[in-house]
Amino acid sequence: NAGVTQTPKFQVLKTGQSMTLQCAQDMNHNSMYWYRQDPGMGLRLIYYSASEGTTDKGEVPNGYNVSRLNKREFSLRLESAAPSQTSVYFCASPSLAGGLGEQFFGPGTRLTVL
Amino acid sequence: GDSVTQMEGPVTLSEEAFLTINCTYTATGYPSLFWYVQYPGEGLQLLLKATKADDKGSNKGFEATYRKETTSFHLEKGSVQVSDSAVYFCALSDHNTDKLIFGTGTRLQVFP
Repeated sequence: NAGVTQTPKFQVLKTGQSMTLQCAQDMNHNSMYWYRQDPGMGLRLIYYSASEGTTDKGEVPNGYNVSRLNKREFSLRLESAAPSQTSVYFCASPSLAGGLGEQFFGPGTRLTVL
Repeated sequence: GDSVTQMEGPVTLSEEAFLTINCTYTATGYPSLFWYVQYPGEGLQLLLKATKADDKGSNKGFEATYRKETTSFHLEKGSVQVSDSAVYFCALSDHNTDKLIFGTGTRLQVFP
């Protein structure tokens, strides 16, 4: 039982390149989230998916797209990367047992855009 | 909208010192409150939580009490260890949703 997994762990892109960050959870949770973490900003919600087949914008969605492929997988795509998207990206999924707000996090993807 | 304010870091302490990290919140409803910890190179982990006023969350020697009158949820530990060095995030969630709102995080550095 791996919890939440993310790939890749590290990535360097040039401005204008595209890439997809992958996230999977094996806890049978309905909801999944994508955050970005920047120094002095805490974690900010990019997109979330309350259930399979649904996605909604969070606080900072511009420049990103998401796909909830099935109940397990939730991917984040950067179509044309910009230096402002240099960040650490975390996928998370709420625990059903723990009650509202308690989330399991993946290990993160550290992205640098040159 | 709802928000969380944490004290800025880094907080630098010697081993066995007393720790307080301040957290205050603004919310229209009655949120649940959380402390998450992020060890170097890892994702966030839930440290403790409190779901209603006057509740005390505790784990691994850390404690925090949900104070509605002061809208605060300060994190405390009586004797820190080097292994407690990490970034600590205060967060809240509305009872109608499983979304979290995070503070900016406070880095704790504990030296032997």
